[in-house]
Amino acid sequence: DGGITQSPKYLFRKEGQNVTLSCEQNLNHDAMYWYRQDPGQGLRLIYYSQIVNDFQKGDIAEGYSVSREKKESFPLTVTSAQKNPTAFYLCASSISGFGTDTQYFGPGTRLTVL
Amino acid sequence: ILNVEQSPQSLHVQEGDSTNFTCSFPSSNFYALHWYRWETAKSPEALFVMTLNGDEKKKGRISATLNTKEGYSYLYIKGSQPEDSATYLCAASDPVGGYQKVTFGTGTKLQVIP
Repeated sequence: DGGITQSPKYLFRKEGQNVTLSCEQNLNHDAMYWYRQDPGQGLRLIYYSQIVNDFQKGDIAEGYSVSREKKESFPLTVTSAQKNPTAFYLCASSISGFGTDTQYFGPGTRLTVL
Repeated sequence: ILNVEQSPQSLHVQEGDSTNFTCSFPSSNFYALHWYRWETAKSPEALFVMTLNGDEKKKGRISATLNTKEGYSYLYIKGSQPEDSATYLCAASDPVGGYQKVTFGTGTKLQVIP
């Protein structure tokens, strides 16, 4: 089955530690995205990548880093510089990254920083 | 950053009632408007994408319209059923350099009461 996988589903970390969230897709999509959701807020774009080895900051990139070494993988690192990292994180992909493309979402990772 | 707003924030309707929600966005520099449905414990799923003023899309009992001149889209659900209970997200895109970001609204949470 084609789709997007995110792991783990739940993640707990101590304050001050970096943590990496995994996102893998086997849809052969060029574009991938990371969003964050907080209670009462919409999905906010953290980073996006339209092609391998290239990515762009979204609206709330501070305290996060990404890499795109392979087409199917787009890991997100939440660094200790992120002031409020506890949130629900969604990864998505689309065929090419144009604004008309449908985005396909993974199941999400809920990160709790203690 | 696009300002995408949705109303109402939440809605409770009786089974069989028809309902509608609104998504508003800046009418200038518009490119595309998406509607997604996000059921609890699942991933958001695409419903429609619209680009042209006057576009109307339909999928079963759900339909959507687009007015780009005044900057709004309506989502209609005819004869709501309990399985329609979900959060409905709209997202708008505008050209940003060579990439086209999508900005999500905060969603309308629909609960259909049997």
